[in-house]
Amino acid sequence: QQQVKQSPQSLIVQKGGISIINCAYENTAFDYFPWYQQFPGKGPALLIAIRPDVSEKKEGRFTISFNKSAKQFSLHIMDSQPGDSATYFCAASVNNNAGNMLTFGGGTRLMVKP
Amino acid sequence: GAVVSQHPSWVICKSGTSVKIECRSLDFQATTMFWYRQFPKQSLMLMATSNEGSKATYEQGVEKDKFLINHASLTLSTLTVTSAHPEDSSFYICSASLPGSYNEQFFGPGTRLTVL
Repeated sequence: QQQVKQSPQSLIVQKGGISIINCAYENTAFDYFPWYQQFPGKGPALLIAIRPDVSEKKEGRFTISFNKSAKQFSLHIMDSQPGDSATYFCAASVNNNAGNMLTFGGGTRLMVKP
Repeated sequence: GAVVSQHPSWVICKSGTSVKIECRSLDFQATTMFWYRQFPKQSLMLMATSNEGSKATYEQGVEKDKFLINHASLTLSTLTVTSAHPEDSSFYICSASLPGSYNEQFFGPGTRLTVL
């Protein structure tokens, strides 16, 4: 099963709050889990990524938490800002010679209210 | 680093015509490029995987004769939508795989195609 399930579909957070987006996967062969941020009319931009050998990775206000046994990973945006309003996609892939094809979640539309 | 460009950013064409979209990796050589299609408020749908110097691998349900992909060099891949119809109107996005550990993918800005 190559599916990656993402929730919630949409999220409204007050400025300064914490935004949390969750993803779950089935394929235990996945070994790379990136998060992408996409603004309307633009291509996705790599935000942060994690490998399964660590349980957490933090870059600035963005943190990925990874639970290998539960096959789940999540994105936390601390001190959320209106400029963070965008669609966020989680993804997963298997590192191989075929070019590391990504399987995307369905996306979460985040709105941060001033 | 790891910048991917697309051209054009938007295009409007008449039904029955063909449209070519270019995808370039500007500061790295990409052995693999990917083409995606995205409908409004939906996730990215992989159309095909393109390796330099070889034929593209198309996902199930994607017509290879309609969506022609050419990956002639390590920095350029093109997608040609042949005999375009209104239902082909969509946002087309390419990505390039950065060689090395875990082959991270970097995305272009996308091309908005509208077929009248």
